[in-house]
Amino acid sequence: NAGVTQTPKFRILKIGQSMTLQCTQDMNHNYMYWYRQDPGMGLKLIYYSVGAGITDKGEVPNGYNVSRSTTEDFPLRLELAAPSQTSVYFCASSSVRTGDYEQYFGPGTRLTVT
Amino acid sequence: QQQVKQSPQSLIVQKGGISIINCAYENTAFDYFPWYQQFPGKGPALLIAIRPDVSEKKEGRFTISFNKSAKQFSLHIMDSQPGDSATYFCAARKKSSGDKLTFGTGTRLAVRP
Repeated sequence: NAGVTQTPKFRILKIGQSMTLQCTQDMNHNYMYWYRQDPGMGLKLIYYSVGAGITDKGEVPNGYNVSRSTTEDFPLRLELAAPSQTSVYFCASSSVRTGDYEQYFGPGTRLTVT
Repeated sequence: QQQVKQSPQSLIVQKGGISIINCAYENTAFDYFPWYQQFPGKGPALLIAIRPDVSEKKEGRFTISFNKSAKQFSLHIMDSQPGDSATYFCAARKKSSGDKLTFGTGTRLAVRP
């Protein structure tokens, strides 16, 4: 299993541009999450999904959108990028079916908005 | 409002020493407390976790101590090694929250040879 994969690894955006961060998991996990990580701030939840077709806001959803059309994919959309969205973005997944609460993280996408 | 407070922000330990990282939480509805380890350029990975019905859990050199009445839990790394140098995050999960985790702000551990 590849686990959780994210693309791209790095990206530089200009203010006002848009982009989609891709996330795919091959573990048949029903739950998926998007976090952003800023220095000294830990991980903040942006959006999460408990299954295909179901998404909900996390702690810091403003400026982002998500969709979950399949179990495997959970893309994060940035519209009108702003410097405040410069961060490292992590996708994660978990399976509550087994009672295992472990979240499996992807390798991250480092985004710079200038 | 930060629901999980973590300290210290950074820690330097000599090889063979004990590393201790502390976390405190406010919400008594939390029912699962994991620690994640993150190496530079990588995503976090689960290290060890505990539920509030036990006071201690040990896995190899890593131990979680849990104090339910004080709403505190800590990670102890015995015989710290340079390979343990990483950032450590405590977290807490609230029952019936969509399995969401609330993370602490992280501790950067450096183990000197």
